[in-house]
Amino acid sequence: DSGVTQTPKHLITATGQRVTLRCSPRSGDLSVYWYQQSLDQGLQFLIQYYNGEERAKGNILERFSAQQFPDLHSELNLSSLELGDSALYFCASSGTLGRETYGYTFGSGTRLTVV
Amino acid sequence: AQSVSQHNHHVILSEAASLELGCNYSYGGTVNLFWYVQYPGQHLQLLLKYFSGDPLVKGIKGFEAEFIKSKFSFNLRKPSVQWSDTAEYFCAVSRNSGNTPLVFGKGTRLSVIA
Repeated sequence: DSGVTQTPKHLITATGQRVTLRCSPRSGDLSVYWYQQSLDQGLQFLIQYYNGEERAKGNILERFSAQQFPDLHSELNLSSLELGDSALYFCASSGTLGRETYGYTFGSGTRLTVV
Repeated sequence: AQSVSQHNHHVILSEAASLELGCNYSYGGTVNLFWYVQYPGQHLQLLLKYFSGDPLVKGIKGFEAEFIKSKFSFNLRKPSVQWSDTAEYFCAVSRNSGNTPLVFGKGTRLSVIA
């Protein structure tokens, strides 16, 4: 157990639907990062939150959004789902701002299958 | 934008063979460098990291990596692999300016056969 908790572990949904993925960071970590892992694209950075505020944005589609709540857990919302959104979605957390580049702790991921 | 290239998509080795996985990055400034490992069905785990100092970094499970600044490389090595090293290995880079997300390479799948 890495200390980063992601739910659900698996999700199967139909095209056009909307899903929410949840991530609880390691205790004490203020930053949460979302990554999408697919066979052809590898690990793609989506978005980062630090202490409730968006800090960096990567290759995140407009259909996707995220937020970080006061208790520091984060949710990634994926809407109008397409077959190509099927992937493994990882959440990672790291410590205070000055130590963010010191490596992340990853969760076990949510495997999303869009049918 | 910075990018990370891992030269080998899939490497197959026999047990006890030596391993070297290549990693090159494109960013010209000061960087932090990482290698992560993902065992089948599991999350990414940190193998080793480099921030500054000795360019030869030792990590867990007998892995090491050498930072060669002139070549923008951070290759991962292990003198003798075991079957349990079968996994996907990811090189990652972040700019050493704080608050920059890790950029990952596409990964190298290592299969170790008995």
